[in-house]
Amino acid sequence: DIVMTQSPDSLAVSLGERATINCKSSQSVLYSSSNKSYLAWYQQKPGQPPKLLIYWASTRESGVPDRFSGSGSGTDFTLTISSLQAEDVAVYYCQQYYSTPLTFGGGTKVEI
Amino acid sequence: QVQLQESGPGLVKPSETLSLTCGVSGYSISSGYYWGWIRQPPGKELEWIGTIYHSGTTYYNPSLKSRVTISVDASKNQFSLKLSSVTAADTALYYCGRRSSSGYFDYWGQGTLVTVSS
Repeated sequence: DIVMTQSPDSLAVSLGERATINCKSSQSVLYSSSNKSYLAWYQQKPGQPPKLLIYWASTRESGVPDRFSGSGSGTDFTLTISSLQAEDVAVYYCQQYYSTPLTFGGGTKVEI
Repeated sequence: QVQLQESGPGLVKPSETLSLTCGVSGYSISSGYYWGWIRQPPGKELEWIGTIYHSGTTYYNPSLKSRVTISVDASKNQFSLKLSSVTAADTALYYCGRRSSSGYFDYWGQGTLVTVSS
């Protein structure tokens, strides 16, 4: 199984400041033939299901604000919230879909 | 707008079978995509349980494969999860979702809490 490790477990960021979340996979999730990393990011607010933010490591889902961006390739990935808003308080998860079983990171809690 | 809704008992006795159904609206399961189940034990991370294609082909997490059955009923536009021989470790919030052909989940149900207790 591919193990997804997120860091930090939690972080507190001031409104308007940048938040950076890291995700590391135990093996590469990059398909060389397509040059795509099979990595997604989700946002989960209290009492709600996860919401897809980013797929292919850096492609923003329709309707997701452009303050959210994903980067990285291979085994190391980053989700950046460029200017934190109050509504961004949530737990963020990464997920690899390179191989089954599909696996998720442990989550990063973002607070103000 | 695609919507998914889980339904089923919120309390299951140890050693019995957990059964949940996911009703889909706004999209016909027969049209394609994969459909899956994910769970989240209290305070823990998300765990993929398994996925079914509209044709009925299934993919299960090896850690649960011996106990899991996922099926689809296209006529009712729903799919189901059965997890046998449950224990307290199966207590979790169970989500159903639509999975892209690639593997990420773009639509999720609200989730349903299943507690395993006598």
